[in-house]
Amino acid sequence: DQQVKQNSPSLSVQEGRISILNCDYTNSMFDYFLWYKKYPAEGPTFLISISSIKDKNEDGRFTVFLNKSAKHLSLHIVPSQPGDSAVYFCAASEWDSGNTPLVFGKGTRLSVIA
Amino acid sequence: DTAVSQTPKYLVTQMGNDKSIKCEQNLGHDTMYWYKQDSKKFLKIMFSYNNKELIINETVPNRFSPKSPDKAHLNLHINSLELGDSAVYFCASSPQPDSYNEQFFGPGTRLTVL
Repeated sequence: DQQVKQNSPSLSVQEGRISILNCDYTNSMFDYFLWYKKYPAEGPTFLISISSIKDKNEDGRFTVFLNKSAKHLSLHIVPSQPGDSAVYFCAASEWDSGNTPLVFGKGTRLSVIA
Repeated sequence: DTAVSQTPKYLVTQMGNDKSIKCEQNLGHDTMYWYKQDSKKFLKIMFSYNNKELIINETVPNRFSPKSPDKAHLNLHINSLELGDSAVYFCASSPQPDSYNEQFFGPGTRLTVL
């Protein structure tokens, strides 16, 4: 039973437009969320995170929105650029001072078309 | 059925010991990975194997040695464990290495070195 779901395996967006990647979770104990970006044959790169005390976190072109009541978060990329084409993973965890494992979605492939 | 499984889930051991973490995937994927999650929840790739062949080998101490007896298994052996090795280790798999594929992550193994 997947606790973190990325229901869209792929997404295509035109350059300059907004990309919206979605992630749903089922475990109400999760209070810390991260997005990772992965290019082929490379390891994931951390993009942005959000804790449950916030509903929005912004970093440049990347904004993550958290809707706790719906157990849903989304990553907005605006404007989208061809270099954003990658697989994006959503991850969730209970935040603690120790090493609680992240739980990952399977990823969404974003293709930004020039 | 669990797609990517890791054993053990928790591992507590003394400094200086040698330990192994096992990973198995039943998805028929060609590529498997080991990642390390640090205390800030950041994920770093350690190794990647494609069809039992090592294709990614990041800068990790040579006390860490991956072993792939077949393409469904990728085990991680750690010699002379140190306090700093305490972390969560994730195994993952994907259909192919050089593509924008989704990845299936295991549940993680929480290693504590005393």
